Amino acid sequence: QKEVEQNSGPLSVPEGAIASLNCTYSDRGSQSFFWYRQYSGKSPELIMFIYSNGDKEDGRFTAQLNKASQYVSLLIRDSQPSDSATYLCAVLSNFGNEKLTFGTGTRLTIIP
Amino acid sequence: DVKVTQSSRYLVKRTGEKVFLECVQDMDHENMFWYRQDPGLGLRLIYFSYDVKMKEKGDIPEGYSVSREKKERFSLILESASTNQTSMYLCASSLSPGGSNGYTFGSGTRLTVV
Repeated sequence: QKEVEQNSGPLSVPEGAIASLNCTYSDRGSQSFFWYRQYSGKSPELIMFIYSNGDKEDGRFTAQLNKASQYVSLLIRDSQPSDSATYLCAVLSNFGNEKLTFGTGTRLTIIP
Repeated sequence: DVKVTQSSRYLVKRTGEKVFLECVQDMDHENMFWYRQDPGLGLRLIYFSYDVKMKEKGDIPEGYSVSREKKERFSLILESASTNQTSMYLCASSLSPGGSNGYTFGSGTRLTVV
């Protein structure tokens, strides 16, 4: 079982709709969770992080964390073509040394 | 904003060459990381460092070494480049241990080994 799993997609969503991206993780001791956005040919950029169970909102983005079920999700409201990118889920693991473990990413396409 | 600078955007090297990839950050971050990114495999950690002259192996250290002589600079070394090391290499830094505030990435070096 991979430590961090994401649906690779591609996920296609009409412009203006809600895009929902999901991520599951295997280490129950994980404490911090991150969402990165990566445009084609560019490096990842941090867009959200969450530590506590529940929802965290930042503009059109909402991160949701459920530690009991070991999943974290990212919702993008009012999706725009500029949201088309690969979204990477990352989890702060405690395998000896603390480090971020990344999922393989979900490719999102917003259809105008 | 933290800036992480990787010295080369594109690099072509021959099999067997020794290759140096340089990374410099300008915000006095303690922690620096080297990843490679390949389609379908995501980001995989090669090496990381929490302090000057300190290094820790990541998930795929074979064929690589690192050097951190100064706090702001973290170098990745391919001792004898091979074609299976053709990849996008990403350097990152973070302020807090383990990156609990997230990592800042450099723009990446796309290395091709021929």
